[in-house]
Amino acid sequence: DAGVTQSPTHLIKTRGQHVTLRCSPISGHKSVSWYQQVLGQGPQFIFQYYEKEERGRGNFPDRFSARQFPNYSSELNVNALLLGDSALYLCASSLGDTLNTEAFFGQGTRLTVV
Amino acid sequence: QKEVEQNSGPLSVPEGAIASLNCTYSDRGSQSFFWYRQYSGKSPELIMSIYSNGDKEDGRFTAQLNKASQYVSLLIRDSQPSDSATYLCAVPQRQAGTALIFGKGTTLSVSS
Repeated sequence: DAGVTQSPTHLIKTRGQHVTLRCSPISGHKSVSWYQQVLGQGPQFIFQYYEKEERGRGNFPDRFSARQFPNYSSELNVNALLLGDSALYLCASSLGDTLNTEAFFGQGTRLTVV
Repeated sequence: QKEVEQNSGPLSVPEGAIASLNCTYSDRGSQSFFWYRQYSGKSPELIMSIYSNGDKEDGRFTAQLNKASQYVSLLIRDSQPSDSATYLCAVPQRQAGTALIFGKGTTLSVSS
C-alpha cells in the first residue's frame, strides 16, 4: 500500500510569491494535518482537516490556508512568501480523529524562499 | 501553552549499549504519547505509541509512561549505528483536534 505522498519534494520560490503544496493520505485515512519544521526544531502544527472540515489551526498567519478535497487529499497554500517560510513542510495522515489516533508522515516538501 | 520538553543532546552511546531518551509534558490530561524517529533530511517515522502507565515493548524499543510524573521515556536496547537519528516525542493537543505537539527532539549518536 502506498504511504502518504507529498508533492513537490523540493521547491524554490521568491519572496512575495505564492506556493501550493499537495498531499495524498494513506488509502482509507480521512484526516490530514500539516506541519512546518525548521532546522533544529520539532514539527509545528499548522492545520488539521477531517472529513473535509477544518478541525484545528495552529499559530500561523492568515497567509497560510488549506483545504481538503472529497477524495481526502489536501492542499496547503502560502501567500506572500517570506524568507522565514523556508522549511520542511510535512503532511500527516490519520485514520480517524480521536486522541489515540496514530499519524503517519509523508516525505515532506522542502521549501526554500530566496 | 501546552509544552513537550526533551533534552536536545546529543546523546552518545557505544554500539550494544542501552540508550535512554526522556520527555516531559505539561498537559496533565494527556492520554496518548508517540515517539518518532527522524533521520537527517528525512521525515518523522512513527516507532512507538503508548497510552497506559507502565512499559510497552516492541523489539529493541521500550516506551515507559508515568502519568503522575508527566514523563514518557524511550529505551533502545542493543543500540546500533543505524539507530543514530533524532527522536521526537509527541503529545496530542487536545484543544485542536488531534494535532500533535512535538518536543525539539533528542539527537542520538551510536558509535561502532
